[in-house]
Amino acid sequence: KQEVTQIPAALSVPEGENLVLNCSFTDSAIYNLQWFRQDPGKGLTSLLLIQSSQREQTSGRLNASLDKSSGRSTLYIAASQPGDSATYLCAVSFLSGGYNKLIFGAGTRLAVHP
Amino acid sequence: DTEVTQTPKHLVMGMTNKKSLKCEQHMGHRAMYWYKQKAKKPPELMFVYSYEKLSINESVPSRFSPECPNSSLLNLHLHALQPEDSALYLCASSQEEQNYGYTFGSGTRLTVV
Repeated sequence: KQEVTQIPAALSVPEGENLVLNCSFTDSAIYNLQWFRQDPGKGLTSLLLIQSSQREQTSGRLNASLDKSSGRSTLYIAASQPGDSATYLCAVSFLSGGYNKLIFGAGTRLAVHP
Repeated sequence: DTEVTQTPKHLVMGMTNKKSLKCEQHMGHRAMYWYKQKAKKPPELMFVYSYEKLSINESVPSRFSPECPNSSLLNLHLHALQPEDSALYLCASSQEEQNYGYTFGSGTRLTVV
């Protein structure tokens, strides 16, 4: 059974720090891995999508890496800002019962203070 | 259009009411999903529709009834809900091909009183 774990569960940092959020998954037979951002009470915003054949993706101050064989992904946030405060969710897409499923980790709650 | 639109944004209903949640996308995605998210928990998959047919039901109680009238619309009909069903209900869509990501709507905040 596919399980997704995110560490740390919560993180509070001063503005300007570089951050690393970790995600691990138990079954390496994934199609892709997606990082989302969620503000309180809101929907999910896709940040980065890494295909199973890729090693990393970058968007602005965000960089996500994928090591499929070890079942790990990291999200790197450079020069953090208060506006980055949100919950970051890692999700893996995989085949289950002949259909594509997306399963989430519990998330990392990030607070960036001025 | 690169969005998934959900209506209403907020819904308060009594335990004897019947209501429906609506989800719409015009990206040509052939897979659509309902997720339920409780406070401070990750989204949990409820239903998957593929080419307008129900392909996955994650053992969801029958008081939740999904419907896919066409490839752009997904409904979730609610009847005789319980207070513990109060949650954020998220709709998502994706291409059938495995190499594309998911697009989520902003959700419907449901409160059952």
